[in-house]
Amino acid sequence: DAKTTQPTSMDCAEGRAANLPCNHSTISGNEYVYWYRQIHSQGPQYIIHGLKNNETNEMASLIITEDRKSSTLILPHATLRDTAVYYCIVRVRNKAAGNKLTFGGGTRVLVKP
Amino acid sequence: DVKVTQSSRYLVKRTGEKVFLECVQDMDHENMFWYRQDPGLGLRLIYFSYDVKMKEKGDIPEGYSVSREKKERFSLILESASTNQTSMYLCASSFYVGLAGADRSYNEQFFGPGTRLTVL
Repeated sequence: DAKTTQPTSMDCAEGRAANLPCNHSTISGNEYVYWYRQIHSQGPQYIIHGLKNNETNEMASLIITEDRKSSTLILPHATLRDTAVYYCIVRVRNKAAGNKLTFGGGTRVLVKP
Repeated sequence: DVKVTQSSRYLVKRTGEKVFLECVQDMDHENMFWYRQDPGLGLRLIYFSYDVKMKEKGDIPEGYSVSREKKERFSLILESASTNQTSMYLCASSFYVGLAGADRSYNEQFFGPGTRLTVL
């Protein structure tokens, strides 16, 4: 699976959009970008995933650059409950990959009142 | 909502004890996983199972074994606990979808709350 690079931490004001970048310059054509988050003392939670088109769901939006070497997770209106570590993961999406998730360091996001 | 539950949130054991960590999911998922999470090392896969009585080693299986006698339950066993097995243990489950599957639930793993195990 391709390696990802994320900032170690970032702060965000409550009610404002939070833009979380992720670099994955070695991504290959069959690899998807996944985002998970982990709130303190809880297990990781799936947020969103995409291949090359931008994606949106009830939690967030995912913007993937045209060359697919980077992406941005957008939390449109951050709340205090969004304080968590956010993980960007790049992996193939087939059963041969074994469904393993490899989490790197992630970005520690602190939403402030 | 998918629910993955783990038998304990906190557990303290002594070196050499046999330890059982239980995980139960209620969504009829085929796949189940055991990870451990340590500061600076991220999440590491210990074992996973894609069917009853089936198991596959992950990245760090040494010192652990697993059991999947029923689809909804996946147990992690530390045969003889050691201090370097002090960690947060996370169980997860997911659907098993073939290559033709296209919905967003594929590869979406649902995690339990974790068990923080301390081995003294």
